[in-house]
Amino acid sequence: DAGVIQSPRHEVTEMGQEVTLRCKPISGHDYLFWYRQTMMRGLELLIYFNNNVPIDDSGMPEDRFSAKMPNASFSTLKIQPSEPRDSAVYFCASRWTGSGYGYTFGSGTRLTVV
Amino acid sequence: GENVEQHPSTLSVQEGDSAVIKCTYSDSASNYFPWYKQELGKRPQLIIDIRSNVGEKKDQRIAVTLNKTAKHFSLHITETQPEDSAVYFCAASRSSGNNNDMRFGAGTRLTVKP
Repeated sequence: DAGVIQSPRHEVTEMGQEVTLRCKPISGHDYLFWYRQTMMRGLELLIYFNNNVPIDDSGMPEDRFSAKMPNASFSTLKIQPSEPRDSAVYFCASRWTGSGYGYTFGSGTRLTVV
Repeated sequence: GENVEQHPSTLSVQEGDSAVIKCTYSDSASNYFPWYKQELGKRPQLIIDIRSNVGEKKDQRIAVTLNKTAKHFSLHITETQPEDSAVYFCAASRSSGNNNDMRFGAGTRLTVKP
């Protein structure tokens, strides 16, 4: 298995632009999580899905952030409009209930908003 | 919601010495406690985990202990090696019903000096 796949690996964008981050979970995993990592705030849970349904989005910082999971193999995290304070590494992770509770993280997307 | 605190934030040890990282959690319903290792520029990777029905678990040089009454758990690394240098995160999760989100501690930067 290729693991959790995120794209792009790096994204540099100008303030005000729309940014879309993508994630492909491990096949068969029924949970998908989006985390944001910064030096100041560590690893923050933004939102998670179970069987493609959003369960808890209380960590989404503002209305500028939205996430979708149209099918079991794809999820997006969108920021519109982007701001410099959104600069961070965004991780996607997935897990399968039947295999225990450990997450597998993707390689992350390093977002820089200038 | 769950709140996880982790100490110390930085830890420096001499090669061959032991390292101990401690975490506390707030939600008594949490039942799963993983530890992740994150090397510079890479994804967090699960190194060991423990469930609430177990007090201790060991895997070679790594061990975790859990005190449910006190709501704290610890990571112990013995005979440390330079390749153990990384940031270590503890986490806590309920992993039951619809509550499957995982909350992370702020991380401990471990440096093993050769």
